Amino acid sequence: GAVVSQHPSRVICKSGTSVKIECRSLDFQATTMFWYRQFPKKSLMLMATSNEGSKATYEQGVEKDKFLINHASLTLSTLTVTSAHPEDSSFYICSARDGTKGLYEQYFGPGTRLTVT
Amino acid sequence: AQTVTQSQPEMSVQEAETVTLSCTYDTSESDYYLFWYKQPPSRQMILVIRQEAYKQQNATENRFSVNFQKAAKSFSLKISDSQLGDAAMYFCAYRPGTYKYIFGTGTRLKVLA
Repeated sequence: GAVVSQHPSRVICKSGTSVKIECRSLDFQATTMFWYRQFPKKSLMLMATSNEGSKATYEQGVEKDKFLINHASLTLSTLTVTSAHPEDSSFYICSARDGTKGLYEQYFGPGTRLTVT
Repeated sequence: AQTVTQSQPEMSVQEAETVTLSCTYDTSESDYYLFWYKQPPSRQMILVIRQEAYKQQNATENRFSVNFQKAAKSFSLKISDSQLGDAAMYFCAYRPGTYKYIFGTGTRLKVLA
């Protein structure tokens, strides 16, 4: 149980285009999902926290107009990188929190590697 | 500010030996959780072990155990009988009541055959 999927696992897009990454909780309802960015050989940097049915909360320094987050249902959150540039190339990881369990455990997706050419 | 520090960028251990990874954190909270995550080359984050701050007993999971020193704000991970499959990046993480993780910078563990 407690599986989180991400799609696509890898994506290459041209500079100036937008790309959408999906994060799904497969066997539980995720009241909260988190989006992280990880640079090579670096730690995970939290970008934003998204709660189902409400606006995402962005961390300081993260452009909300560039990284659009939508958490439309209890099992799906999407991250759209708008007008992508090569500096947006990175590894993006989502995690989903199972709010029904007292420990509020977070489960991580397998990540999406974005390359902007 | 709440911070998590992993002072060992890289560690090596011989197969079947024991290794300890260090983690310290800074917080003024009294109720929080601490975690060790493993990130193998696949980049999938895997939970290794969890410790609740209110529990004095150190958590253990098979070959993995922690030394939790609340007063010293220290949370080290001991891996016993190291295996080749243990080679990965290990991240220490702290989670206060707001449910946001704060990750350390990671320790790359190499296991030597």
